[in-house]
Amino acid sequence: GAVVSQHPSWVICKSGTSVKIECRSLDFQATTMFWYRQFPKQSLMLMATSNEGSKATYEQGVEKDKFLINHASLTLSTLTVTSAHPEDSSFYICSARHGSAETQYFGPGTRLLVL
Amino acid sequence: GQNIDQPTEMTATEGAIVQINCTYQTSGFNGLFWYQQHAGEAPTFLSYNVLDGLEEKGRFSSFLSRSIGYCYLLLKELQMKDSASYLCAVMDSNYQLIWGAGTKLIIKP
Repeated sequence: GAVVSQHPSWVICKSGTSVKIECRSLDFQATTMFWYRQFPKQSLMLMATSNEGSKATYEQGVEKDKFLINHASLTLSTLTVTSAHPEDSSFYICSARHGSAETQYFGPGTRLLVL
Repeated sequence: GQNIDQPTEMTATEGAIVQINCTYQTSGFNGLFWYQQHAGEAPTFLSYNVLDGLEEKGRFSSFLSRSIGYCYLLLKELQMKDSASYLCAVMDSNYQLIWGAGTKLIIKP
């Protein structure tokens, strides 16, 4: 149990385009989903926390207009990187948690390369 | 501020035992997590401690002492596939995970 999927696993795009990443909880209802970014050889950095049906809470320094998060259902959250630039190239990972359960389960991650 | 400290890198021999220590200072405590992350992959959940003491799960054990903000992950009978980064994370009073930078474990034959 507790499987989280992400799609796509790899994205290569041109600078200025927008990229949408999907995160799905496959066998449980994810009341809370988290979006992380990880640059090479660095730690996980939390970008935002989203609760189903409400607006995401963004961490300091993360532009909410650039990284659009939608958590419209209990099994799906999306992250859209708008007008992507080369510095947005990174490993984006989502995680999900059910209710007040403590453990977060991670998706396999999406590697984004902006040319 | 909130802080998680763990060694940057450790090296151990196949078949041996290794202990990865982690100390923390956080605003509140709602649990201690260990995750394993292989290079290029997302983290996978290893263990969760909320009470003091040792939790054993196969070759992996995790220990917690809340009074001194100290924990460790113990890996026994090391295998080459255990080469990975091990992330210590503490859930604070707001149920947010505070992440350590990870310990890169290198296993040598």
